[in-house]
Amino acid sequence: DTEVTQTPKHLVMGMTNKKSLKCEQHMGHRAMYWYKQKAKKPPELMFVYSYEKLSINESVPSRFSPECPNSSLLNLHLHALQPEDSALYLCASSQTSSGNTIYFGEGSWLTVV
Amino acid sequence: GEDVEQSLFLSVREGDSSVINCTYTDSSSTYLYWYKQEPGAGLQLLTYIFSNMDMKQDQRLTVLLNKKDKHLSLRIADTQTGDSAIYFCAETPQGGTASKLTFGTGTRLQVTL
Repeated sequence: DTEVTQTPKHLVMGMTNKKSLKCEQHMGHRAMYWYKQKAKKPPELMFVYSYEKLSINESVPSRFSPECPNSSLLNLHLHALQPEDSALYLCASSQTSSGNTIYFGEGSWLTVV
Repeated sequence: GEDVEQSLFLSVREGDSSVINCTYTDSSSTYLYWYKQEPGAGLQLLTYIFSNMDMKQDQRLTVLLNKKDKHLSLRIADTQTGDSAIYFCAETPQGGTASKLTFGTGTRLQVTL
């Protein structure tokens, strides 16, 4: 099983809303990632969690707040977003952050109105 | 920094072979990957190759690596309409750190009848 599950698949939120994206994997992976992908572009790394600790934050604005409650779950809390934050948000995991293979979820389509 | 380039678009007839090309600049690349992204979906890992290999075959997929020229290609035999998607090549540097995954610009494959 090489599955990374993301919910919700689609989310529309206002600029004053607070919402969360969720990600789950049951492959025993200890590294989990959030990527942002705009249309017709490759994914861009946002955050890396390694053994449930934040190890990389690629200078992401504080309106995006990641959380790793346990080794299987990764959340991305959203607050006071801007329309330009509308994108596909992809969660991914790998055995470790030094592991050679990253598996991606299906993504959450976020629209900020 | 690392740079991974791909042509933007490829059109092939159903039943023909497709060849998607990728060039990279990081000579310390250790793992090179091909991901497929169908419209509205996440990234699906198709295959990967370690830098000490020059070829890998998996059913209809053949990956060729020319490390001297830093050129990677993905050949899809007997291309089907279901192969229509964007294909991203990606690489990780020496040490295989998954958190340093660098994507190419993506090639949109269109399969015509």
